[in-house]
Amino acid sequence: QSVLTQPPSASGTPGQRVTISCSGSSSNIGTNTVNWYQQLPGTAPKLLIYSNNQRPSGVPDRFSGSKSGTSASLAISGLQSEDEADYYCAAWDDSLNGPLFGGGTKLTVL
Amino acid sequence: QVQLVQSGAEVKKPGSSVKVSCKASGGTFSSYTISWVRQAPGQGLEWMGRIIPILGIANYAQKFQGRVTITADKSTSTAYMELSSLRSEDTAVYYCARWGSGYDLWGQGTLVTVSS
Repeated sequence: QSVLTQPPSASGTPGQRVTISCSGSSSNIGTNTVNWYQQLPGTAPKLLIYSNNQRPSGVPDRFSGSKSGTSASLAISGLQSEDEADYYCAAWDDSLNGPLFGGGTKLTVL
Repeated sequence: QVQLVQSGAEVKKPGSSVKVSCKASGGTFSSYTISWVRQAPGQGLEWMGRIIPILGIANYAQKFQGRVTITADKSTSTAYMELSSLRSEDTAVYYCARWGSGYDLWGQGTLVTVSS
């Protein structure tokens, strides 16, 4: 598996709740924790969620993460226009002996 | 507050090499691991390899084995990524990133364009 599987796009209106899924395998999500990154256009990625469901300091509690088996999800509640970005999941892969990223999900706020 | 500051954009010919630097400004690498992650135009993120600067130990993604070399200079808190035998598919933004709990600190990115 070369990447974790994410939907290429997602959308929602302001105030809505959206979820982004991330599917992997036993060699990555199944045995290791999941991180989520937000990438605004033209900028470097930013850590959004670590260790499946932990938020770094400064990340609003509108963002939450969960993991079950070989899948993970990112939920964004109270959607805001500034949430429009690309979102990537990532997990250590024991076969790669390095982190594996998802293909990314482009979130559009309608 | 530590920042990772990368070297500027590069334009290279196919077959040549490029070396990108990543300096910890306002601090040191401490015991953190530094990884290199690249992003081709319009594409996702791809891990290339990492180094533990205080030990000088590096490991690489199999895809880049033999073509990439990651080094670090502890005295200047600078990490380097050298990629050889460049081809057009290597055109990408290259990021260095610090591993804390997740990649919690990123450089600003360096665009490497491979073109004849």
